[in-house]
Amino acid sequence: EAGVAQSPRYKIIEKRQSVAFWCNPISGHATLYWYQQILGQGPKLLIQFQNNGVVDDSQLPKDRFSAERLKGVDSTLKIQPAKLEDSAVYLCASSLPGTVPLGQYFGPGTRLTVT
Amino acid sequence: GENVEQHPSTLSVQEGDSAVIKCTYSDSASNYFPWYKQELGKRPQLIIDIRSNVGEKKDQRIAVTLNKTAKHFSLHITETQPEDSAVYFCAASKVYGNKLVFGAGTILRVKS
Repeated sequence: EAGVAQSPRYKIIEKRQSVAFWCNPISGHATLYWYQQILGQGPKLLIQFQNNGVVDDSQLPKDRFSAERLKGVDSTLKIQPAKLEDSAVYLCASSLPGTVPLGQYFGPGTRLTVT
Repeated sequence: GENVEQHPSTLSVQEGDSAVIKCTYSDSASNYFPWYKQELGKRPQLIIDIRSNVGEKKDQRIAVTLNKTAKHFSLHITETQPEDSAVYFCAASKVYGNKLVFGAGTILRVKS
């Protein structure tokens, strides 16, 4: 089965510019996650969707970050305006829904460098 | 909220030896504990997981143990091989929501 797809793989922008990332989850996976992984750290959840509804966005910096999943499949994460500390890998993951926790499967990530 | 601590931060072993990575969690409501392997520049890959109703789980050379009373769980890799070299992350989540909280990672180096 195809895995989680993300694009672009790399992005370099200047601070105060905007950027958008795209994610296509595994087919049939209703739950989608965006994580931020700063170099040398574990992934940190930014936002979690169940179909097209937000389940958890408590750690999303809402003054600059936004995300949507309009049709319950693909998702986009946007940063506007970017700051130097936003330099990180942005990972998208997906899993099957359910009341029992199930494995999350990650995409290859987008490496963002803010200069 | 949940906090996951992981030790050691780096681990070097000789090929063929065993490696053990330990994690502790703070939220007693957490009941799902996956382990991910991340090679340089690659995505995290789920290698094994355990639920709170199980004390130990094995899959070939890897095993995970869970002590709910002490709130810690460990990854055991036996007969290590150079291709086991990577960063390993533990994580924890509750039944509902499935939000994963990750440890800081362990860099495992297997020397041949």
